[in-house]
Amino acid sequence: AQTVTQSQPEMSVQEAETVTLSCTYDTSESDYYLFWYKQPPSRQMILVIRQEAYKQQNATENRFSVNFQKAAKSFSLKISDSQLGDAAMYFCAYLAQGGSEKLVFGKGTKLTVNP
Amino acid sequence: DSGVTQTPKHLITATGQRVTLRCSPRSGDLSVYWYQQSLDQGLQFLIQYYNGEERAKGNILERFSAQQFPDLHSELNLSSLELGDSALYFCASSVGGWSSYEQYFGPGTRLTVT
Repeated sequence: AQTVTQSQPEMSVQEAETVTLSCTYDTSESDYYLFWYKQPPSRQMILVIRQEAYKQQNATENRFSVNFQKAAKSFSLKISDSQLGDAAMYFCAYLAQGGSEKLVFGKGTKLTVNP
Repeated sequence: DSGVTQTPKHLITATGQRVTLRCSPRSGDLSVYWYQQSLDQGLQFLIQYYNGEERAKGNILERFSAQQFPDLHSELNLSSLELGDSALYFCASSVGGWSSYEQYFGPGTRLTVT
């Protein structure tokens, strides 16, 4: 079974600085998708960024970018120019291609942004 | 706003009772997924429906059941409720199939069993 591990239960960053959240996963599949979701105090799950495993180029969405290392099964999220509104729980998620369409989530990393 | 709606937002009920959670997917989405978020188990997949039919099942208890109706809205039924069923229940939707794999989440229903 696929597993997703987020080894940092909590992280903090100063406003305007850069922070990287770590995620590793375990799978025997070659085709899959990876996601980062943000859950602010409102509890809404918000899709931040996605990466297709077949793409070598790392995904970027404005201030959010990923470092996808397929061989190492690593998928980290970098947040640049951190803003107070970035404070939230961040979940890494895996989706296998061709099988069940269920998302497998990590336990999450709580990000605090200090003014 | 993801376009996925869930009702009710909050639900407080007693052990042994039965409740129904409702979800309306985004316009055009055929797949509906149910997830449970609890403090001890994290976010777990429960069940998926695609165009009215069950497509995948996760760690869903036998006391729980779901269905998707012809208008594509879905309901999750939880019966013989226990204290441990207290959690945030999310519905997500996607177009379905591999043409669009992104899942968009509703605001969730917070269930408290007392």
